[in-house]
Amino acid sequence: GQQVMQIPQYQHVQEGEDFTTYCNSSTTLSNIQWYKQRPGGHPVFLIQLVKSGEVKKQKRLTFQFGEAKKNSSLHITATQTTDVGTYFCAGPLTGGFKTIFGAGTRLFVKA
Amino acid sequence: NAGVTQTPKFQVLKTGQSMTLQCAQDMNHNSMYWYRQDPGMGLRLIYYSASEGTTDKGEVPNGYNVSRLNKREFSLRLESAAPSQTSVYFCASSELEGGNQPQHFGDGTRLSIL
Repeated sequence: GQQVMQIPQYQHVQEGEDFTTYCNSSTTLSNIQWYKQRPGGHPVFLIQLVKSGEVKKQKRLTFQFGEAKKNSSLHITATQTTDVGTYFCAGPLTGGFKTIFGAGTRLFVKA
Repeated sequence: NAGVTQTPKFQVLKTGQSMTLQCAQDMNHNSMYWYRQDPGMGLRLIYYSASEGTTDKGEVPNGYNVSRLNKREFSLRLESAAPSQTSVYFCASSELEGGNQPQHFGDGTRLSIL
């Protein structure tokens, strides 16, 4: 069946280092969404990408949608302790009525 | 503005007991969802309701039932709880139906089945 895979599963960084998580879909996606979940919290919507090759920025976060619309990445520049949490990508299942989530990348930031 | 409210926040059940998890949203959203989250497995869709009066199965519906009581409320019922249903349950809503809609999540219900 359709899958959305994320790598790495987790990453430890020193505060100030950069971080990237990658999302790969087994099928072409009409759009991709990114969510952040703080430890003990709930997922919070960050952004949605729709166009092939689209790049969007939110302060230190850069989101990219691949040209083939099958992969995406989230890059954080100069991580801070407030960036700690799990980052999920999500895309629509074929047919478009439901969303499938990746397993997430958990980010640990050491001060 | 409360957004999506789930009750209870924590619950411990014995195997075989039944329970209903409640969810309400105040954003006038049409679609609502129930997910379970297990370590290392992300979010898996249990059931969803595209609009008031409709419900449909998601990826892992076995052992669960749902009711879309009205536009605001969407409940999840475990008829006979099993240890495999120990998980964190999230309710979510979106303005419209579809996989291209941002979802707003509640704080979750942490459920343990002994």
